[in-house]
This record gives sequence, C-alpha cells and structure tokens, in this order.
Amino acid sequence: DAGITQSPRHKVTETGTPVTLRCHQTENHRYMYWYRQDPGHGLRLIHYSYGVKDTDKGEVSDGYSVSRSKTEDFLLTLESATSSQTSVYFCAISAGRERGTDTQYFGPGTRLTVL
Amino acid sequence: KQEVTQIPAALSVPEGENLVLNCSFTDSAIYNLQWFRQDPGKGLTSLLLIQSSQREQTSGRLNASLDKSSGRSTLYIAASQPGDSATYLCAVAQGNEKLTFGTGTRLTIIP
Repeated sequence: DAGITQSPRHKVTETGTPVTLRCHQTENHRYMYWYRQDPGHGLRLIHYSYGVKDTDKGEVSDGYSVSRSKTEDFLLTLESATSSQTSVYFCAISAGRERGTDTQYFGPGTRLTVL
Repeated sequence: KQEVTQIPAALSVPEGENLVLNCSFTDSAIYNLQWFRQDPGKGLTSLLLIQSSQREQTSGRLNASLDKSSGRSTLYIAASQPGDSATYLCAVAQGNEKLTFGTGTRLTIIP
C-alpha cells in the first residue's frame, strides 16, 4: 500500500467552526489531491497540488482552502464549516506523468460530520 | 465538461460467473482511463490503468478495454468470487493531472 495517512479519521464539529484535515505521504510524490465523496455524486475534486506551494482549484472548491508547505503534507481547511460539507474526504497522491505513471493512490478517508 | 457514467448502479451475480462492468464518458479527448475498487468504509484501490493509445489491460482475472472513439470502457471479471464484492469506479484523465470519476457500480457476488 502507498504510504498515505489521513488525520483525523473521524470528526464531528459544529456549524461555523474551522476544521483542518491533514494528508501525509511517505512516497515523495509530486501530486496530491483532496476529494469528497457523497452519495449520488461520486468523488469530486476539491483542490489539488502539483508541488510545494503550488495548488489549484478543483470542481467543488468553494468553502475550502489548502496549503502545502512540504512535499509530504497537504492540508485541507474548512474556514467555517457548514452542514453541506458533511462528507467523506479522501486524499490521493500521484507521481505524475513525467515519472511514467499517473495512477492515483488513495488514503483511508476522513469522515466529517458538521452538526 | 467531461461526464462519466456507470450503468448499472448495482449488480448481483452468482459466484463463478463472468461479468462485465460498463463505463462511458462524453469527451473522447482523454489521456487515460483508470478502474478502481472501493470496499465499504475504505479508500480506493487502483486496479488497472489504460493509456489512450491502448485498447486493453489485463491483471489476473481482470481485463479492461477502452474504445476511446465511442467513449466506452468495460471491466471484465472472470470467474467471480465473493471477495470481488465491492464498488467499482472508473475515472478518466484529461490534459491535466486531474481525474473525473463515475458514480460507481456496486457489485455483489452471491455465494
């Protein structure tokens, strides 16, 4: 299994509070991604990173921000959580096409509930 | 905007049967197509990746085909086993390094 961990694995919070999810990799891969998975919608990309301090928006980026200060860590922040952000959040990594493969490897997920 | 569809949403078959899962996409300008497996409460596991220049990829009892011009891919599972029960997702990559996912097919193998 690819060395990807997510923390916390479960979190319950209240509307309006800030939340930060962490993704940590030990593979030294260039690309990192944050997805959310909801019934009926599948996986949707929130933000992704193509290098340290290099990030870009995905399909559903509103209400989320990200930071990547080190290759191994990619943080997802909900500045003011809302009930619509209740979801399962997955981090993924990829070495990228310049390394010969863009297979994505996924972390175990974080289940977030916003009350 | 790329859209990826997987039909049916759920499928049940008796153990030992061969089966085919379907994936279709609207924009044929893809870089590759990937098939993943997801067990309940778990993350995704990559099964097969087909480059746009390829027609198929095989891994053990799994065979994935790609017809880019028609916007279709199939995942063939031979001699199904109860351990194959999971949700199977396909995803397409375009010019950037991002994937667009289908909503998946939930497969149940009946012992």
